[in-house]
Amino acid sequence: GEDVEQSLFLSVREGDSSVINCTYTDSSSTYLYWYKQEPGAGLQLLTYIFSNMDMKQDQRLTVLLNKKDKHLSLRIADTQTGDSAIYFCAESIMDSSYKLIFGSGTRLLVRP
Amino acid sequence: GAVVSQHPSWVICKSGTSVKIECRSLDFQATTMFWYRQFPKQSLMLMATSNEGSKATYEQGVEKDKFLINHASLTLSTLTVTSAHPEDSSFYICSATRGGVNEKLFFGSGTQLSVL
Repeated sequence: GEDVEQSLFLSVREGDSSVINCTYTDSSSTYLYWYKQEPGAGLQLLTYIFSNMDMKQDQRLTVLLNKKDKHLSLRIADTQTGDSAIYFCAESIMDSSYKLIFGSGTRLLVRP
Repeated sequence: GAVVSQHPSWVICKSGTSVKIECRSLDFQATTMFWYRQFPKQSLMLMATSNEGSKATYEQGVEKDKFLINHASLTLSTLTVTSAHPEDSSFYICSATRGGVNEKLFFGSGTQLSVL
């Protein structure tokens, strides 16, 4: 079945890099996404990567995809206190509904 | 960028009453809208997929008679929680897409429902 897993919590010091990891099981995934959720708010799409890519960089964000191991990571360079939030990875399943399967979310805490 | 508006942001209701949540795509036509539910400290769970003009497709375990979804136009979908009970208290989020595998999903800001 479809399953996406993430570690629950990550704490880093301001200015350091953060790396959030995600594993998924469905090899037919087409796109993989990273979303950010701030308290009481909806999801904000941070970035996404097509399944035939290995890496995508977007300003402070770097996404690495290891399709063989079904492993996805999000690196945030120069992490700021405003980056504190819950980060969800998600995979899109290529069926008629294009639904997303979400991981459980990683809570990132940035310490001053 | 594309904007999805969800209303209300929060609602408190008495047990047994019904609550309607609206999801609007403000600057694009959403052929498909999705409804999610999120329990505290848990991930989003897809409840149903709705395509404009047709009946919603519900995920396993989601009661379609309890969570009524209407997608009557290309810019509006509604979720009605009928005869709400305290266990229905949750954070509900909608998302919308123009359709097609290359199209991104755009999310609403969510609705916090508290049933007393």
